[in-house]
Amino acid sequence: EIVMTQSPATLSVSPGERATLSCRASQTVSSNLAWYQQKPGQPPRLLIYGASTRATGVPARFRGSGYGTEFTLTISGLQPEDFAVYHCQQYDDWPLYTFGQGTKLEIK
Amino acid sequence: QVQLVQSGAEVKKPGSSVKVSCKISGGTFTSYTISWVRQAPGQGLEWMGRIIPLLGMTDYAQKFQGRLTITADKSTSTAYMELSGLRSDDSAVFYCARPQLTGDRNDAFDTWGQGTLVTVSS
Repeated sequence: EIVMTQSPATLSVSPGERATLSCRASQTVSSNLAWYQQKPGQPPRLLIYGASTRATGVPARFRGSGYGTEFTLTISGLQPEDFAVYHCQQYDDWPLYTFGQGTKLEIK
Repeated sequence: QVQLVQSGAEVKKPGSSVKVSCKISGGTFTSYTISWVRQAPGQGLEWMGRIIPLLGMTDYAQKFQGRLTITADKSTSTAYMELSGLRSDDSAVFYCARPQLTGDRNDAFDTWGQGTLVTVSS
């Protein structure tokens, strides 16, 4: 099983600044990596797939990068609605999927 | 617009089973796989397994093998997740989710159910 590790567990950033979230895979997942945003009481929302492609309706301030085992989600000019939990997911290991443990992005 | 609509919250006794449904509306049912994802309170997401409704074929995460059964009813466009041998640490929100791509390929999940809270308590 591919293990996904996210860091940090909690990230405190001020509105308007940039947040950088990391996700590492225990073995290569090529570009088969997705990022999700989750707010309390809601299901996850797809933000990024293919490591760097924004899903429909996702603002340009969200940027995904990386390949293989190291991935980054960068959120520029943080808006109040961006403070949430972010999950990464690998979908390379057919037919299995695994998620990271999540990073909570909180207001500093 | 496609929606996945799940059944309501459940309270179960330890050792019992729970069966949660996920009905698709506004889209095709058999063309996509349906996965189930568990989220314990304050925890991350955990993929449990998936079904290919067209074929009835299933794949399960090793952790849930033997306790999890995923089925699909094509006539009602509904998928089901049944977890047996419930323990207190199975208390969680369970989500169904669908990938972007058709067929049995893996892909990111762009459609999610609203979630079903299952509480296991004596």
